[in-house]
Amino acid sequence: DIQMTQSPSSLSASVGDRVTITCRASQVINTYLNWYQQQPGKAPKLLIYAASTLQSGVPSRFSGSGSGTDFTLTISSLQPEDFATYYCHQSYITPWTFGQGTKVEIK
Amino acid sequence: QVQLVQSGAEVKKPGSSVKISCKASGGTFSSATMNWVRQAPGQGLEWMGRIIPIGGTRNYSQKFQGRLTITADEATSTAYMELNSLTSDDTAVYYCARRRGGHNYDAFDIWGQGTMVTVSS
Repeated sequence: DIQMTQSPSSLSASVGDRVTITCRASQVINTYLNWYQQQPGKAPKLLIYAASTLQSGVPSRFSGSGSGTDFTLTISSLQPEDFATYYCHQSYITPWTFGQGTKVEIK
Repeated sequence: QVQLVQSGAEVKKPGSSVKISCKASGGTFSSATMNWVRQAPGQGLEWMGRIIPIGGTRNYSQKFQGRLTITADEATSTAYMELNSLTSDDTAVYYCARRRGGHNYDAFDIWGQGTMVTVSS
């Protein structure tokens, strides 16, 4: 199985901060990498697919980059509603696997 | 807009089975691959398997082979996930999620609200 490793596991940030989360795959996955946001008690929400394509309706402060094994999710200016847990997800080969999550908390 | 509505919470005894439904409304069901993902309390997301309703093609994670069955009823636009031989490790929220795919990508764009399954004696 492909292992997905996110860093950091958690971070504290303030409204307006630029936030970067990284995800590394244990093997090459081209750009079969997606990012989800999960609020407590809610289902995950798709933010970015194909490593860098913004899902319809997602604010442009979210962006994704990377290919191969190393990927990044960036929030350019953190908003109050962005405090949540973020997961990367590889869809290159089954079993599809997720990172362990990055919890973004209020500083 | 497609919505996925799942059945309600379940409490099960160890060794028993659970069957959860996921009803799609507002869109095309038969051609969309439906996935099942679970999340244990305080833990991350785990993909379990998927089905293409039209034709019934299924793929399961090796971890669940032999005790997971995913089915779909095109007439009612409903997908089902049945998990047997439950243990306390199966206590989790179970989600159905629709695949969005194309050239060079696969993602889960629509999710059900989740179904909590508690396994306890």
